[in-house]
Amino acid sequence: GENVEQHPSTLSVQEGDSAVIKCTYSDSASNYFPWYKQELGKRPQLIIDIRSNVGEKKDQRIAVTLNKTAKHFSLHITETQPEDSAVYFCAACERGYQKVTFGTGTKLQVIP
Amino acid sequence: NAGVTQTPKFRILKIGQSMTLQCAQDMNHNYMYWYRQDPGMGLKLIYYSVGAGITDKGEVPNGYNVSRSTTEDFPLRLELAAPSQTSVYFCASGEQGRNNSPLHFGNGTRLTVT
Repeated sequence: GENVEQHPSTLSVQEGDSAVIKCTYSDSASNYFPWYKQELGKRPQLIIDIRSNVGEKKDQRIAVTLNKTAKHFSLHITETQPEDSAVYFCAACERGYQKVTFGTGTKLQVIP
Repeated sequence: NAGVTQTPKFRILKIGQSMTLQCAQDMNHNYMYWYRQDPGMGLKLIYYSVGAGITDKGEVPNGYNVSRSTTEDFPLRLELAAPSQTSVYFCASGEQGRNNSPLHFGNGTRLTVT
């Protein structure tokens, strides 16, 4: 089955700096890669996603890149703000397959 | 459109008791999932369903059972609760298939077994 590794497990940045979270996956059949943000005590919520036919996608301060050859994808947050502090999960979903495999999460702390 | 609704929000069980965590979605999604999240940890898949009448095990199914008699409902049953089942349980739904879509999560059920 699919295996998703996520790094780093914790990340502290100064407000205004950029943050990068990286994930690798094992199954070349995976074709959909969502990112979820989970604030303390809340449910995970989708912030951005990318499909395997696209190399990069951007939404305001958030961007995701995908390298299918290397089987890795990354989340980039620019101009970080205190409200970006949360746990971020990457995930990979195989083509036509039912399961979404999550990474282990990255706790991001933005220091004002 | 309420999305994914989970009940109860909190529950305390004694060892050996049983309970059912309820999950309902009103988005007509075919896929539904149960995850557990231990403190400070990631999401582990317990069971999932690709449609009414079809369920399958995830990575941590022991001690749990599910049923999917309708598209809307996907209850999770705990038999003989154990302290190791203390966790936050999230139900999710999605329209998976050829055009994968994101999962929609419920607000979670916080379960403590003592």
